[in-house]
Amino acid sequence: GNSVTQMEGPVTLSEEAFLTINCTYTATGYPSLFWYVQYPGEGLQLLLKATKADDKGSNKGFEATYRKETTSFHLEKGSVQVSDSAVYFCALGVNTNAGKSTFGDGTTLTVKP
Amino acid sequence: DAGVIQSPRHEVTEMGQEVTLRCKPISGHNSLFWYRQTMMRGLELLIYFNNNVPIDDSGMPEDRFSAKMPNASFSTLKIQPSEPRDSAVYFCASSNTGDQPQHFGDGTRLSIL
Repeated sequence: GNSVTQMEGPVTLSEEAFLTINCTYTATGYPSLFWYVQYPGEGLQLLLKATKADDKGSNKGFEATYRKETTSFHLEKGSVQVSDSAVYFCALGVNTNAGKSTFGDGTTLTVKP
Repeated sequence: DAGVIQSPRHEVTEMGQEVTLRCKPISGHNSLFWYRQTMMRGLELLIYFNNNVPIDDSGMPEDRFSAKMPNASFSTLKIQPSEPRDSAVYFCASSNTGDQPQHFGDGTRLSIL
């Protein structure tokens, strides 16, 4: 079956530090990969996505590259801000009619000023 | 475009009472998902529908939980009777095919006293 394993948290960084949150996956077929972000009191929202190998998704300074050879989709940001404090979820989806995605357990990021 | 709309945003009720959570998915999306999120168990998929038909309800914790999708623009999640351990944030999400991201509502924060 499909599965997503992401770096355990919580992660605490100082403002302007470099961020990496690791994510690896197992899937049959050729999945699309997603990073979602959840701010306090809100639902998950899509941060970025990549649909095929070597694609790079990017948004709001965050980046992740779809690495088929290592089955990874690590999230990076060069300089985090306090406002980036949130829970980050890695997920995969396969093109079926049902539309179900598989989510990782989430990583809590706290950025201190 | 309006996003996924959930109601109520907050619900506080006494154990034993019936609770009904409501969801309006994004127009044109053919899959709808109900999730539960708690600190202890994280994000759990309860049930999902495709074209208004339940596809997988294996995540529904007990027979006290039921979900319906009478048409493409409305779904309900019902708990009867409710218990304190049902206290959680319940999210509804919708999407098209599995390789597209899911769009989440803002959730219903449920407290059972």
